[in-house]
Amino acid sequence: AAGVIQSPRHLIKEKRETATLKCYPIPRHDTVYWYQQGPGQDPQFLISFYEKMQSDKGSIPDRFSAQQFSDYHSELNMSSLELGDSALYFCASSQPKKTVSYEQYFGPGTRLTVT
Amino acid sequence: KNEVEQSPQNLTAQEGEFITINCSYSVGISALHWLQQHPGGGIVSLFMLSSGKKKHGRLIATINIQEKHSSLHITASHPRDSAVYICAFGGGSQGNLIFGKGTKLSVKP
Repeated sequence: AAGVIQSPRHLIKEKRETATLKCYPIPRHDTVYWYQQGPGQDPQFLISFYEKMQSDKGSIPDRFSAQQFSDYHSELNMSSLELGDSALYFCASSQPKKTVSYEQYFGPGTRLTVT
Repeated sequence: KNEVEQSPQNLTAQEGEFITINCSYSVGISALHWLQQHPGGGIVSLFMLSSGKKKHGRLIATINIQEKHSSLHITASHPRDSAVYICAFGGGSQGNLIFGKGTKLSVKP
């Protein structure tokens, strides 16, 4: 069965550079969530999209932006990277709302290292 | 105070032992998730439950909504069960998850 795909899996950037992380949800999933997990930390919600519109916002820095495209894939854009942005970034997708199910399926994560 | 508390934080068991991980939460929820995270990072959804009990293989999850408590049990534990087990619940209007701190399980052969 198709799973959530994230790319790249690993990314090394320098301070003040920009990075773009991509997430491809499971086919027919219309909701995408982004989470950030710092070293030794529990994941924190960043932002979510439903039907290509931002649906909820968590602790996402102003330096980050995200969007969901017509094919439901999502991109997280990170600018002016800081050392503290080094983390594992997860994307998750869930089924259409009509199922009233928020069971989330996680991608493998993108490990971002800022040097 | 965290909205979701897990115990224990760390757990070491011998292969074959029955394991219980507990999760307590302080807010009203409609469903609770149990997730597994292996070293290297990948997160797998084990259960989403809103009442009663669910079973999948050697894993059993129970929830008591009135008592705001859930447990994850592993029967006949195996070293491949070694991972971090996280309980989480939907915290936002669109279901984004709020995570517990996780329980790090190590099963020794």
